[in-house]
Amino acid sequence: TQLLEQSPQFLSIQEGENLTVYCNSSSVFSSLQWYRQEPGEGPVLLVTVVTGGEVKKLKRLTFQFGDARKDSSLHITAAQPGDTGLYLCAGALYYNTDKLIFGTGTRLQVFP
Amino acid sequence: GAVVSQHPSWVICKSGTSVKIECRSLDFQATTMFWYRQFPKQSLMLMATSNEGSKATYEQGVEKDKFLINHASLTLSTLTVTSAHPEDSSFYICSARGLKGLAGDEQYFGPGTRLTVT
Repeated sequence: TQLLEQSPQFLSIQEGENLTVYCNSSSVFSSLQWYRQEPGEGPVLLVTVVTGGEVKKLKRLTFQFGDARKDSSLHITAAQPGDTGLYLCAGALYYNTDKLIFGTGTRLQVFP
Repeated sequence: GAVVSQHPSWVICKSGTSVKIECRSLDFQATTMFWYRQFPKQSLMLMATSNEGSKATYEQGVEKDKFLINHASLTLSTLTVTSAHPEDSSFYICSARGLKGLAGDEQYFGPGTRLTVT
């Protein structure tokens, strides 16, 4: 059973479009991170959210942590080819913060 | 800050041989290091958690005698794949976590090691 489900699994869009990636769970997390990974490289941390309902912005990326701390979303405005990559959410379970549980991943392709 | 390196970045070995992968935190002391493997087009799967000076904690289904982990210092952890077989071919990624801050759970990832067993 996958604790963190991401949707969509794949997303192929044109430059300039907006998109939202969802990260859902039935478990409560003490914090949740979003990463972007490019082929042949390790994941790079984009943001950490720790408070239920928290919204963080990173240029054209907007991250939200659900009120109940069970889900999160990533919204990209006016996507660019440089946004192409694998987006991973990862959470630290409320009752076991020692390790991260990674989501299933969303592969984004932005065409010029 | 928070740079993690891995060596080698890729390795090809013959079936039956052992391969050691190093993970180093370059600008901080890592109290905990994690080892993940990632198959093509899939997410990261945690293999084990290691704390400096103590035995690693392996996830269910991961053979501790096959994947030997040593965390001898606060800046270095090693993963040795013993008697490697083609099914061990994968992308191995380490991460490191320092002293817990407000977020407490952030991990910084290395660039990964591509292992191919022929």
